[in-house]
Amino acid sequence: GQQVMQIPQYQHVQEGEDFTTYCNSSTTLSNIQWYKQRPGGHPVFLIQLVKSGEVKKQKRLTFQFGEAKKNSSLHITATQTTDVGTYFCAGGRAQKLVFGQGTRLTINP
Amino acid sequence: KAGVTQTPRYLIKTRGQQVTLSCSPISGHRSVSWYQQTPGQGLQFLFEYFSETQRNKGNFPGRFSGRQFSNSRSEMNVSTLELGDSALYLCASRTGEINSPLHFGNGTRLTVT
Repeated sequence: GQQVMQIPQYQHVQEGEDFTTYCNSSTTLSNIQWYKQRPGGHPVFLIQLVKSGEVKKQKRLTFQFGEAKKNSSLHITATQTTDVGTYFCAGGRAQKLVFGQGTRLTINP
Repeated sequence: KAGVTQTPRYLIKTRGQQVTLSCSPISGHRSVSWYQQTPGQGLQFLFEYFSETQRNKGNFPGRFSGRQFSNSRSEMNVSTLELGDSALYLCASRTGEINSPLHFGNGTRLTVT
């Protein structure tokens, strides 16, 4: 079945450093969604990418969708302590959303 | 607009018992999905309901079942509980349009002893 792999599983950075998480699917996706889950909280929708090669920005966050629509990345520039949490990608195909395992980001202030 | 509401927040059950979890979606949302979240397995999809019909199903045993009512509220039932069922159960609603984003509730933390 469809699988979505996300790496790394954990990432610890110093405040101010950049952070990137990668998402890879075994099949072509119709779209990719990104969610953030703060410690003790629930996943919150960040953004959706639909087009091949699409790039979207939200302040310090940059999201990319690969040309083949099989991979995606989330890059955070100059991390802040408020960025702490687990970032999930979710690949959409045939009305199903399959979540990656998530990347847990911790930050040293 | 009120968010997704899940009840109860916490639940402790014994092996072999059954449990029912409840979810009230955002007003106007017709789709409700259920996910199991554990530290080792991440977010695992259980099922999705749309207009009272199961639209998609994950790879969970038949002990896990759900239903949706005409007002879009949903319930999830787990019978014959096992220790491994201990997890955070998250409900998420969306409008029902294909690829519409999920809005999650705070979850029900189930502990099976």
